[in-house]
Amino acid sequence: DIQMTQSPSSLSASVGDRVTITCRASQSISSYLNWYQQKPGKAPKLLIYAASSLQSGVPSRFSGSGSGTDFTLTISSLQPEDFATYYCQQSYSAYTFGQGTKLEIK
Amino acid sequence: EVQLVESGGGLVQPGGSLRLSCAASGFTFSSYWMHWVRQAPGKGLVWVSRINSDGSSTSYADSVKGRFTISRDNAKNTLYLQMNSLRAEDTAVYYCARDHLVTTVNWFDPWGQGTLVTVSS
Repeated sequence: DIQMTQSPSSLSASVGDRVTITCRASQSISSYLNWYQQKPGKAPKLLIYAASSLQSGVPSRFSGSGSGTDFTLTISSLQPEDFATYYCQQSYSAYTFGQGTKLEIK
Repeated sequence: EVQLVESGGGLVQPGGSLRLSCAASGFTFSSYWMHWVRQAPGKGLVWVSRINSDGSSTSYADSVKGRFTISRDNAKNTLYLQMNSLRAEDTAVYYCARDHLVTTVNWFDPWGQGTLVTVSS
C-alpha cells in the first residue's frame, strides 16, 4: 500500500503569509496527487487535482507542484477563509490520504 | 447543481448492520464511478470503497472487506453502502463522493455532507 505523509501536521500563520504544505508518497505516484480543504463540520472540497491543476472556482492563490514522491501545496497570501485542514490524496494505486495539516491563525 | 445527499446513519450496536444511501442529482449518475470515504471523530479521511459506473466492479479497503458491500441503483440515482458486523472502530462520518476521471488521473468531486454512524452498546 502507498503511504502518504504530510508535513507539518499543524501550522500557525497570519493573514497575508505565504504557506507551503508538503506531501510525500512512499513510492512514486507520478502526478496522481490531489489536494482537498476541509473546514470543521463540512465535507472536503477539491482544490488541486493531478498535482498542479487548479479546480474551477478555487482562488488562484492556491497552487500545487511536484511529481514522483514529493509534492507541495502553496497558498500565496493567506486569507481568513483559508484556515482549515488540508489533505493530500494519491490515486495512483487505490486511494490513500495524508494525515492532514491543520492551518491555524497565529 | 451537482448534489450528493447521504442518509441512513445512526446509532447501532456492535455486530449490527446499517445501510447508507447517497442520493445524487444534477448530473448523469450512471456515467460516474462513486466512492465512500469515512472520517472517525477528530481523525483524517480514509477511503472505504468504490464502484464503477454500471456496478459491475467494486473494491474495498482491507478494513471493511467482507463486511461492507457497495452497490448502486442507476434508475434511482442512488449509491448504497451495506455495513454488516459493525465494530466500534467503524464509528465515523461517512461521505459519498463522485469520481472524476480525465485520461488516467482521477479525483473526488463533489462530496456529500456526510452521515454519522456510531457503533456503541
